[in-house]
Amino acid sequence: DAKTTQPPSMDCAEGRAANLPCNHSTISGNEYVYWYRQIHSQGPQYIIHGLKNNETNEMASLIITEDRKSSTLILPHATLRDTAVYYCMETQGGSEKLVFGKGTKLTVNP
Amino acid sequence: NAGVTQTPKFRILKIGQSMTLQCAQDMNHNYMYWYRQDPGMGLKLIYYSVGAGITDKGEVPNGYNVSRSTTEDFPLRLELAAPSQTSVYFCASGTSYEQYFGPGTRLTVT
Repeated sequence: DAKTTQPPSMDCAEGRAANLPCNHSTISGNEYVYWYRQIHSQGPQYIIHGLKNNETNEMASLIITEDRKSSTLILPHATLRDTAVYYCMETQGGSEKLVFGKGTKLTVNP
Repeated sequence: NAGVTQTPKFRILKIGQSMTLQCAQDMNHNYMYWYRQDPGMGLKLIYYSVGAGITDKGEVPNGYNVSRSTTEDFPLRLELAAPSQTSVYFCASGTSYEQYFGPGTRLTVT
């Protein structure tokens, strides 16, 4: 079972930042935090991952708290195409150990 | 690059029948994965492979078999199909940190 906790749903206005929270209170020191998303019925898409430091790529930013018990995925300027289910996961080592929970369904409204 | 391809897209099986879901990737990835996704749920890992000739069980392997004779192909075999195997099946390939998913196979067992 998934070890992370996410809100089941969130809404965001188009063009605004979407901040998706995730709790991973039992994360150990060598476990990474991964974020994927799944648009409608497509296969999931990798977004970003991190260990301790904040990370940024062309899709999003990942902010990890200092105690590493929670993180926030930030989509800086949400568009309608960002409407999807977002999964936050933790794993030791590589992505073969990812466990997908139910995620957060983000709806971006016009 | 075609990425990850899966065939068939849809299939209806009768209880007790067998079939093979095909998955191929042209990105020369060592890692390949099979997941299933039931309605409203997250993905569950069935089997994965870290290279040709090497496979390992995931979270829900019962009722399935895999083989990995080449880097490109990772077929999933269902023996004696059961209604509980009605699901959407996703194949993925990737590095140890990032997975690329195929479009999925919708399987119904009646």
